[in-house]
Amino acid sequence: EVVMTQSPATLSASPGERATLSCRASQSVGSDLAWYQQKPGQAPRLLISGASTRATGIPARFSGSGSGTEFTLTINSLQSEDFAIYYCQQYNKWPAFGQGTKVEIK
Amino acid sequence: QVQLIQSGAEVKRPGSSVRVSCKAPGGTLLNYAVSWVRQAPGQGLEWMGGIIPMPDSPNYAQKFQGRVTITTDELTATVYMELRSLRSEDTAVYYCARGGDIVIKSGHWGTSFDLWGQGTMVTVSS
Repeated sequence: EVVMTQSPATLSASPGERATLSCRASQSVGSDLAWYQQKPGQAPRLLISGASTRATGIPARFSGSGSGTEFTLTINSLQSEDFAIYYCQQYNKWPAFGQGTKVEIK
Repeated sequence: QVQLIQSGAEVKRPGSSVRVSCKAPGGTLLNYAVSWVRQAPGQGLEWMGGIIPMPDSPNYAQKFQGRVTITTDELTATVYMELRSLRSEDTAVYYCARGGDIVIKSGHWGTSFDLWGQGTMVTVSS
């Protein structure tokens, strides 16, 4: 079983700032890593797959990087609609999610 | 925004079972891997299990082995998830999710999830 650990649990930032979210896997998952955004009362939305490939329609301010066990989601110039919870998920083995990072307005 | 279409909210007694359905607009869901993911109130996402086409056999997270069954109906292009022996801790929103990127290896597989249902709230209460 691959355990995914995200940090920080909560990130406080102001609109226009850059947000950097981290995700660590308990064993190597190659580049088989996805990021999702979830807003209250909504289903998750795929942002990134393959560690760095943006899904269709995702703005360029979202970028993903990393491989193996360490991954990062960067949101450049936070917009009001970006304040949400973000989950990483590995799919190199049976799917597993991190516990989430909440990006809140400072 | 396009979503998979799930059945409506359910209220169940402890010890009973619930079955949730999932379809795609246009009826093409069975060409994809489909998983079920649940989210307890205020909690994170938890993969329960899924099914991939060819060989079209389901796999389940160890936590749910023996209590969950995922099936497909080819006639209606619908995927079902049944959870049995319900307890209060099963109160959650249940999502179906379509597989995007897929990794298949000997003995296991994994997918990202590129399209989600709207979620089905299942409440277990006496």
